Amino acid sequence: AQSVTQLGSHVSVSEGALVLLRCNYSSSVPPYLFWYVQYPNQGLQLLLKYTSAATLVKGINGFEAEFKKSETSFHLTKPSAHMSDAAEYFCAVTSGGFKTIFGAGTRLFVKA
Amino acid sequence: SQTIHQWPATLVQPVGSPLSLECTVEGTSNPNLYWYRQAAGRGLQLLFYSVGIGQISSEVPQNLSASRPQDRQFILSSKKLLLSDSGFYLCAWSGWPRGGSNEKLFFGSGTQLSVL
Repeated sequence: AQSVTQLGSHVSVSEGALVLLRCNYSSSVPPYLFWYVQYPNQGLQLLLKYTSAATLVKGINGFEAEFKKSETSFHLTKPSAHMSDAAEYFCAVTSGGFKTIFGAGTRLFVKA
Repeated sequence: SQTIHQWPATLVQPVGSPLSLECTVEGTSNPNLYWYRQAAGRGLQLLFYSVGIGQISSEVPQNLSASRPQDRQFILSSKKLLLSDSGFYLCAWSGWPRGGSNEKLFFGSGTQLSVL
């Protein structure tokens, strides 16, 4: 069975500071991993996805994530936070088939 | 380009009343369709998915049902709502298996359901 754990339901950073959102996964087969972002009262949008082509994945809005198999992690980072990055972020995993399993989400707050 | 429509955006219903949420997709054929529920602070829970007309898979036994009467239409229903049905409901589609297992999900804008 697959599962996703996001460490920290809330993360607060200052504008211009590094953003680090943590995600660990569990999967019995090679996974496909995703990060989605959700702005208030909206659906989710894809930030980036890992599909085994490269371990460091670059996404939209300056975000990137690194797949580390030995650590079963897929942490999301951005070098410099912007006020517009304030949102909820979801890590997700699928190992084939039709189901995508989501983590509980991490709400990012950006302080001026 | 593909678009997904979901309505209504907000809904307030009394306990015991029926429910019907509708989702339609444009610009693609034979999509995989999904209903997720997002409860406050609890992430997204997959409720139903469908790989074709009339084909519904239920992930969680509950008070809800889903139907797919047309290729690009997905409906979430309930005969009698419970307080615990409150939440943010999201419809999504994907193009798998055309794009492989790494196909991303495209989400609608969601319906905020409050059962009082």
